[in-house]
Amino acid sequence: SQTIHQWPATLVQPVGSPLSLECTVEGTSNPNLYWYRQAAGRGLQLLFYSVGIGQISSEVPQNLSASRPQDRQFILSSKKLLLSDSGFYLCAWSVTGRDTLFSGNTIYFGEGSWLTVV
Amino acid sequence: RKEVEQDPGPFNVPEGATVAFNCTYSNSASQSFFWYRQDCRKEPKLLMSVYSSGNEDGRFTAQLNRASQYISLLIRDSKLSDSATYLCVVNLHSTTGRRALTFGSGTRLQVQP
Repeated sequence: SQTIHQWPATLVQPVGSPLSLECTVEGTSNPNLYWYRQAAGRGLQLLFYSVGIGQISSEVPQNLSASRPQDRQFILSSKKLLLSDSGFYLCAWSVTGRDTLFSGNTIYFGEGSWLTVV
Repeated sequence: RKEVEQDPGPFNVPEGATVAFNCTYSNSASQSFFWYRQDCRKEPKLLMSVYSSGNEDGRFTAQLNRASQYISLLIRDSKLSDSATYLCVVNLHSTTGRRALTFGSGTRLQVQP
């Protein structure tokens, strides 16, 4: 069966410090991968998605970047964090295929990472 | 107007009650609909997909009304363990023109003993 893990689960970072959140998926090949952010009291906002190694699409302009160095690894980074970057970050995956990107297929979330920028 | 809109609640109901949530969406071309459940400080988990003809899974019933552009979730015989936030998810065109799963902000349910 497929599993998805992300880490760290919680972190407190000072403004201006770098960030690296990592996510790995097991039990599937060439998944579509996603990074979402959930701010307090708000819906999930799609930040990045990837259909393959090295292929990253950004949905919103922001202070963050994403990379996919391996098929089942997805990394969210920032060189300098802002206070507004605080939130709950969720990695997710769905079945492969550009045709199925964002289609009716279910997406599955990792456990999430709580980031507080102070 | 938000692309996907939900009443944030909270809905406070006694155990055994029946409760229903609605979710409205703005894009009439939307094709896929889901309900996710999110426990406090946890990741969302798929509760059920919503099919055009409506569908049921145990105590949960989901319905789609395309004409009025809303989906609903009905929970019968509420349990304490049903307390959570329920997220409405719709397949919409994103700001970049790509189709994307758009999440509502969620409706919080609190089932009381």
